[in-house]
Amino acid sequence: EVQLVESGGGLVKPGGSLRLSCAVSGFTFSSDSMDWVRQAPGRGLEWVSSISSGSDYIYYADSLKGRFTISRDNAKNSLFLQMNSLRAEDTAVYYCARGRPDYHILTGYHYYMDVWGRGTTVTVSS
Amino acid sequence: DIQMTQSPSTLSASVGDRVTITCRASQSISTWLAWYQQRPGKAPKLLIYKASILESGVPSRFSGSGSGTEFTLTISSLQPDDSATYYCQQYNSYSRPTFGQGTKVKVK
Repeated sequence: EVQLVESGGGLVKPGGSLRLSCAVSGFTFSSDSMDWVRQAPGRGLEWVSSISSGSDYIYYADSLKGRFTISRDNAKNSLFLQMNSLRAEDTAVYYCARGRPDYHILTGYHYYMDVWGRGTTVTVSS
Repeated sequence: DIQMTQSPSTLSASVGDRVTITCRASQSISTWLAWYQQRPGKAPKLLIYKASILESGVPSRFSGSGSGTEFTLTISSLQPDDSATYYCQQYNSYSRPTFGQGTKVKVK
């Protein structure tokens, strides 16, 4: 069974840091692209960051302005999100998701999120 | 970034009704579109990818259509279990996937 389990969330003061983890099982983690997506209270889904299977390609939402760093350890089947300089607007449930590839001969690979974890809650408040 | 706009924002319908949700992209995304269902307090669940392909295990009352900039998600016969928020997401750009703002479906 494919499973993604996030951890590391909690209450942190503005300006603080937090490191989220996503433990994966049930599939070959080292072959798959991964994403972080967040959802602020009562709001919609917001893509945060993506990382390719070998960490060659890494992307972030512009709104993060260099405060977050995505990484992965394929030997440990784990995905991470280091969050620094946290702000109240970063308060959200953070989900990790697997990126499943969809291929087109002209445009190459495109990725949608086929499996999601249950999320971990980050609250930034003084 | 490609903007995704869903309509309506909320809808209320009865069991057995046919329900349609629209998603519009700010530029052409071919058929690189996915639909997700999110029940309250739960993680999103993939329903449809590539605009019209039903994910394995998803009931056949769900269907998707469209290409370019206009897409629809249809529930052919609404069930109580379908009460949820539905999101479209474009994946035309690997570096900038974006979601619609969501459509909340209430079953009367």
